[in-house]
Amino acid sequence: SYVLTQPPSVSVAPGQTARITCGGNNIGSKSVHWYQQKPGQAPVLVVYDDSDRPSGIPERFSGSNSGNTATLTISRVEAGDEADYYCQVWDSSSDHPDVVFGGGTKLTVL
Amino acid sequence: QVQLQESGPGLVKPSETLSLTCAVSGYSISSGYYWGWIRQPPGKGLEWIGSIYHSGSTYYNPSLKSRVTISVDTSKNQFSLKLSSVTAADTAVYYCARHNVPDPLDYWGQGTLVTVSS
Repeated sequence: SYVLTQPPSVSVAPGQTARITCGGNNIGSKSVHWYQQKPGQAPVLVVYDDSDRPSGIPERFSGSNSGNTATLTISRVEAGDEADYYCQVWDSSSDHPDVVFGGGTKLTVL
Repeated sequence: QVQLQESGPGLVKPSETLSLTCAVSGYSISSGYYWGWIRQPPGKGLEWIGSIYHSGSTYYNPSLKSRVTISVDTSKNQFSLKLSSVTAADTAVYYCARHNVPDPLDYWGQGTLVTVSS
């Protein structure tokens, strides 16, 4: 089965740039989706198809994907960005598509 | 606006079957999309359980496949999850969500906590 690897935690000061990575074998060939989850809430999609933003998501959220690493970048970080972030892909290596999530990264705003 | 709402018992005894329902509003299940279940143990990450296509085809996480059944009731515009032979390790917040392949899970329910305990 396909495995996605995320760092458990990332810390950044307000106003700085946070980069959260998601590693996977040749992940650059897949579409990567990113979710933000605040305590007690359901996940919210913040980036889809590597780098697109749903309506209502600030331009500060961006994504990239190449080789074995996808990256979620949050510019000008705010206190309200503190949350857990999960990457997700579809794994079609078996006879049916499987949803695969990364282990999640806790973003701490210092 | 598409909305999903999970419902079901919040407490299940070990070895019994966990049963949850996800009611969908603002979109007809029979019109398309996959409808899935995801869970999150306390303090841990997200785990996909399985999904059902509007036609009834199902896809399950291989690690849970032997214990999971997902079904759809288009007349009530809802879909359901059954997880058999539960243990304390199945204690989690259970979410339902809508998706297509290879698209993201775009609409989620608020989640419901299910505790497995005697």
